[in-house]
Amino acid sequence: NAGVMQNPRHLVRRRGQEARLRCSPMKGHSHVYWYRQLPEEGLKFMVYLQKENIIDESGMPKERFSAEFPKEGPSILRIQQVVRGDSAAYFCASSPPSGTLEQFFGPGTRLTVL
Amino acid sequence: SQKIEQNSEALNIQEGKTATLTCNYTNYSPAYLQWYRQDPGRGPVFLLLIRENEKEKRKERLKVTFDTTLKQSLFHITASQPADSATYLCALGGSSNTGKLIFGQGTTLQVKP
Repeated sequence: NAGVMQNPRHLVRRRGQEARLRCSPMKGHSHVYWYRQLPEEGLKFMVYLQKENIIDESGMPKERFSAEFPKEGPSILRIQQVVRGDSAAYFCASSPPSGTLEQFFGPGTRLTVL
Repeated sequence: SQKIEQNSEALNIQEGKTATLTCNYTNYSPAYLQWYRQDPGRGPVFLLLIRENEKEKRKERLKVTFDTTLKQSLFHITASQPADSATYLCALGGSSNTGKLIFGQGTTLQVKP
C-alpha cells in the first residue's frame, strides 16, 4: 500500500507564475489536509478537503491560493501569481473516512520562488 | 490567540538516557494531542495520540502524558538511541471537529553515542 504521494518534490517558479502542487492520498483515504512549513517554523494548517468538498479552509490566504479534491484524481493546491514569501515546504496529509485521527503525511513539495 | 510552545533549543543527550520533550499550549481546549517525528527533508510521521480524558499513553520506548489543567504534554523516549535523533512535533486537534491540527514548531533531539 503506497503512502501519500506528492509531486513535484521540488518546484521552482519566478514571481508572478502559477504553482500547482499535487497530492495523491493513501488508498482508501478520503480526507486530505494541506499544511505549509516555512523555514524555522512549524507546520501551519491551510485547508481540509473531502472528495469534491472543502470542509475547512480557515488557514488559506484569502487571495491567490485555492485547493480542490475532485472525484477522480489527486488533490491540487494552486498558488497564482507567486511571490517570494510563498517559498516553503508544502505538505499533504490524508486520513481514512472514519475512526483514526492519525494523519499520514507525504514527503512534501519544496517551492522556491525566484 | 492559540499558542503552542515547544523547547526551541535543541536537546542533546547521551545514548541510553531518557529524553523528555515539553509541549505547552494556551487559549486552546484540544480534544486530543498527537506527537509526530520529522526527519530532515521528509514529512512528519505519527507516533502517539492521547485524548483529553487520558493521563498517559505508552508505546514501546515512548511515553506521553497530558495534563489539561497545566495545559502541557510531556513526551519521553527511554533508552534513547542515535536513531532517535530527529525533530519532534506536538500537534493539538479536535476543537473544531474537522481533523485540523495545530502544530508546535518542534524540538530537535540529538542523541550522542
